[in-house]
Amino acid sequence: EAGVTQFPSHSVIEKGQTVTLRCDPISGHDNLYWYRRVMGKEIKFLLHFVKESKQDESGMPNNRFLAERTGGTYSTLKVQPAELEDSGVYFCASSHNRLGELFFGEGSRLTVL
Amino acid sequence: DQQVKQNSPSLSVQEGRISILNCDYTNSMFDYFLWYKKYPAEGPTFLISISSIKDKNEDGRFTVFLNKSAKHLSLHIVPSQPGDSAVYFCAASANSGGGADGLTFGKGTHLIIQP
Repeated sequence: EAGVTQFPSHSVIEKGQTVTLRCDPISGHDNLYWYRRVMGKEIKFLLHFVKESKQDESGMPNNRFLAERTGGTYSTLKVQPAELEDSGVYFCASSHNRLGELFFGEGSRLTVL
Repeated sequence: DQQVKQNSPSLSVQEGRISILNCDYTNSMFDYFLWYKKYPAEGPTFLISISSIKDKNEDGRFTVFLNKSAKHLSLHIVPSQPGDSAVYFCAASANSGGGADGLTFGKGTHLIIQP
């Protein structure tokens, strides 16, 4: 069974540009989460989808971040325009139900210059 | 305001000995706790969890202890093996409500197992 996959693994962009990160959760997992880890700090929650609906987006930093999950399958996280402080590793995770363990992808490293 | 704290950024333990990783939390609404292990360039992988109704959960070489009154949990690994060298994240959730849906993570502890 394929795990959570994320693309790209690493993206380097200039300040002001746009980047879109993609996450394919484990098939059948209704719950999809985005997290971010900045500069060796804690892994911070961004938002949670249940199928195609945003269940909780309280962790989204600001309106430069837009997450979608069309059809309740894969999800995208767009940063527009990117700022220097957006640099970090963006992890996607999925789970079958809301409780219990999350399965994480390998992360997408974003570097904003 | 960190709700989950791992005060040791790194820990070095000799192979075969016991590794003890500590975690403190401040949010009394947390009722489910997890430990994740992370290798470089990989995503975190689930290791072990414990519900607040228990004070101990064991899985092979890994045991998690929870002290609710002290808002403290610890992960014991015995015996420690070279493959255990990784960053360990403590995480908590308030499944019965009162917080964001997602897990709240600590900053991680880098465990180094020395031969």
